[in-house]
Parts: sequence; C-alpha cells; structure tokens
Amino acid sequence: DQQVKQNSPSLSVQEGRISILNCDYTNSMFDYFLWYKKYPAEGPTFLISISSIKDKNEDGRFTVFLNKSAKHLSLHIVPSQPGDSAVYFCAASEMGPGNQFYFGTGTSLTVIP
Amino acid sequence: NAGVTQTPKFQVLKTGQSMTLQCAQDMNHEYMSWYRQDPGMGLRLIHYSVGAGITDQGEVPNGYNVSRSTTEDFPLRLLSAAPSQTSVYFCASRGGKETQYFGPGTRLLVL
Repeated sequence: DQQVKQNSPSLSVQEGRISILNCDYTNSMFDYFLWYKKYPAEGPTFLISISSIKDKNEDGRFTVFLNKSAKHLSLHIVPSQPGDSAVYFCAASEMGPGNQFYFGTGTSLTVIP
Repeated sequence: NAGVTQTPKFQVLKTGQSMTLQCAQDMNHEYMSWYRQDPGMGLRLIHYSVGAGITDQGEVPNGYNVSRSTTEDFPLRLLSAAPSQTSVYFCASRGGKETQYFGPGTRLLVL
C-alpha cells in the first residue's frame, strides 16, 4: 500500500504565478520529508526538506509546508519559471541513516511562458 | 567529484538473459540503494545497503541480487531478465546527512 501519495499527476501554471504541489502520507512515524525534482533522462535531484519539528522551511523561491495532524505537506514555488517544468517527487522517512525513503508517484509541473 | 555514476545508460535484454547494472559513488557514503521507476508507480526501493558487506531488501526485491564489497560500489544483478523488469533504474547514496543523491539512471528494456 502506498505510504506516500501525490494525487495530482500533473499541474499547469502560468509563468510568474504560484505553483502548489501536494503530498499526503499515512505513516505517523515519518519525521523527515523531502522534495525531489526530476528532468527527463536525468536522475532526481534534491530540492528541499523539512523535519517534523518544523512546519515550514524556505529556500529562495521554494517553500515546503508540513501539517502533521493532517499528514500533509505541500511545496510552493513562487514565482514559477519555465525552468521549473519537471516531475516533482515527495519522499518521507523516519530520521536515521539506515531508514528507507518512501516516494510518491510524482507530479508533472508545466510552467507556461 | 563525480557523485553517483551508473553504467550502462541504456540496455536491451532478451527474456532469460542476465546482466549487472553498475553503480559507484565517490562521496564515501555508507548508505546506497537501488530504485526502479515505472509510470504511475513513483520510485520503488529494490535493495539497499547500510555499509560494505551489509545489504537488505526493499519493497520490490524479487528477481534482483545485490552485493556490497566496497563502500564505493553497489552493483545490481538481474539473474534471469523478465519483461516485467523493463524500467528505469536509479542508484542513490547518502552519508551522515539525510539528503539522498541519485545517479543519472539506467533505462532497461527486456524483450
């Protein structure tokens, strides 16, 4: 059973507007969450992370929000740029070097110039 | 510093053939893992290793073998390829920090 879910397979946004990508998880033991970005024919690259002791983490145009009670996290991209067009995966794990990452199915973001 | 490297980039196999997907990292990371990516399925963990000599199964280990004789290398072996193993395979590594670094992937087609 999928422990990390991304229910929107795709999203289109106008350049300059906000992109909001959503992710839900079922395992209450998860305490570390990440977003990865993937371009075609490349491996995923790390974008931003958040631990469960925070509810928000910001890095430039990218902000991740965590709602532990709802088991929900979201990635906000403001402003969106055409170069942001990619597939975005969220991932979750229990903190610790030996613990597995569980990935969502990905959301394909298209930023329209 | 090359990060995580994978070879080959693309491979075509016939059903029943065997092959090894190579993965190497030069970051001295203890933790390495193999994922497969299939449409609508995201990234699923096949096998992982927490250090040289130690490996364990992930979500979808059947049909695959791994070994970890050195910190740098973590090859994935397909003993008898099946069409269901057609996929894109990613190797990843991470050290003391939680961020995981991925290789560029190997695209495998099994006919």
